Amino acid sequence: DGGITQSPKYLFRKEGQNVTLSCEQNLNHDAMYWYRQDPGQGLRLIYYSQIVNDFQKGDIAEGYSVSREKKESFPLTVTSAQKNPTAFYLCASSNGNFETQYFGPGTRLLVL
Amino acid sequence: GESVGLHLPTLSVQEGDNSIINCAYSNSASDYFIWYKQESGKGPQFIIDIRSNMDKRQGQRVTVLLNKTVKHLSLQIAATQPGDSAVYFCAETFNDYKLSFGAGTTVTVRA
Repeated sequence: DGGITQSPKYLFRKEGQNVTLSCEQNLNHDAMYWYRQDPGQGLRLIYYSQIVNDFQKGDIAEGYSVSREKKESFPLTVTSAQKNPTAFYLCASSNGNFETQYFGPGTRLLVL
Repeated sequence: GESVGLHLPTLSVQEGDNSIINCAYSNSASDYFIWYKQESGKGPQFIIDIRSNMDKRQGQRVTVLLNKTVKHLSLQIAATQPGDSAVYFCAETFNDYKLSFGAGTTVTVRA
């Protein structure tokens, strides 16, 4: 998993609750990303950050929020506005534009 | 819709044979392509990449071929092993940092 850690491995959310997924990298990469993966499907981009204190919406940002206060950390909050949060969430990082993205082990979010 | 797609959702291959996984893309402006391998319950693992100024690139037991004329990408795995069983994704970049992924091909290796 190349120096990218995600926690927890499994996360349970109750109705109306916000939950935060952790992503940390020690690769000294500038860019970080969050993807969502549903069964039998490819990855869809939620948010990405090219540099500290800056981030952009991806294709499915509604119901999610992020922060990038430190280069090595890019936490994702799944808010209560996300009505279908059950999925496998993957964090990735890269050394910049048009460079390979390396993925963490993922967090599986389930709704109680 | 997706700009990247794989021709077959599943591929069954005999151990020791060569595997070929195909991928079609629709954006002629794409200039960087990556193949990933994802095992069940894990994050995607980088296999090999290729830039649009190349037609072929080889790694350890893997070869990626790029045909820009027909917008086609393939991954060849030589002497397929049981550990090669996984879902394989191709991805392309055509908009700075964003990668576009296909739905993936599930490869099953028969003993």
